[in-house]
Amino acid sequence: GAGVSQSPSNKVTEKGKDVELRCDPISGHTALYWYRQSLGQGLEFLIYFQGNSAPDKSGLPSDRFSAERTGGSVSTLTIQRTQQEDSAVYLCASSFGGSSETQYFGPGTRLLVL
Amino acid sequence: DAKTTQPPSMDCAEGRAANLPCNHSTISGNEYVYWYRQIHSQGPQYIIHGLKNNETNEMASLIITEDRKSSTLILPHATLRDTAVYYCIVRVLNNDYKLSFGAGTTVTVRA
Repeated sequence: GAGVSQSPSNKVTEKGKDVELRCDPISGHTALYWYRQSLGQGLEFLIYFQGNSAPDKSGLPSDRFSAERTGGSVSTLTIQRTQQEDSAVYLCASSFGGSSETQYFGPGTRLLVL
Repeated sequence: DAKTTQPPSMDCAEGRAANLPCNHSTISGNEYVYWYRQIHSQGPQYIIHGLKNNETNEMASLIITEDRKSSTLILPHATLRDTAVYYCIVRVLNNDYKLSFGAGTTVTVRA
């Protein structure tokens, strides 16, 4: 079946611009996660959505980052006033059920801030 | 504090079995062993997980020692497409959802 999809696959933007990254989770998965992975760095947790519960935003690095999940499915990660240090691969994952389930990752969005 | 230890790299011949070790000597009784891999420029891919019994699926086998302090991921017939970084992690299946990967093992499958 279809896996997690993300768009765009690549994004180049200028410093100070806003960007929106989209994630379509696997159908039927109620939990959705955002991570980022910088060059040569490990996985950095950003935010977790589970059903109608309040999201865990503890990993968002600054108030320029926000995310929403509409209708319990598609999620959008927004970065306002992008900075060069925001350049990274942004990964979305989803799982069936809650936090104890196996997470399946999308292909990622490669963001480059010039 | 690293919960798992893996060799930084290993080579494998195409068509042969690849055996990837992982040490997790401080694993707790309620922690599962998970394996993911990440092919260059792609997102992490789930491979397999287990608690204490050996597990097998269409991708790989997971052998966990009786004391659970180490495990081995086996790719039975490695292909060039298996070249990737392989990550072994341990996690509790209860609110332990912030995954983090260590350096992993870079596996290069050679023709």
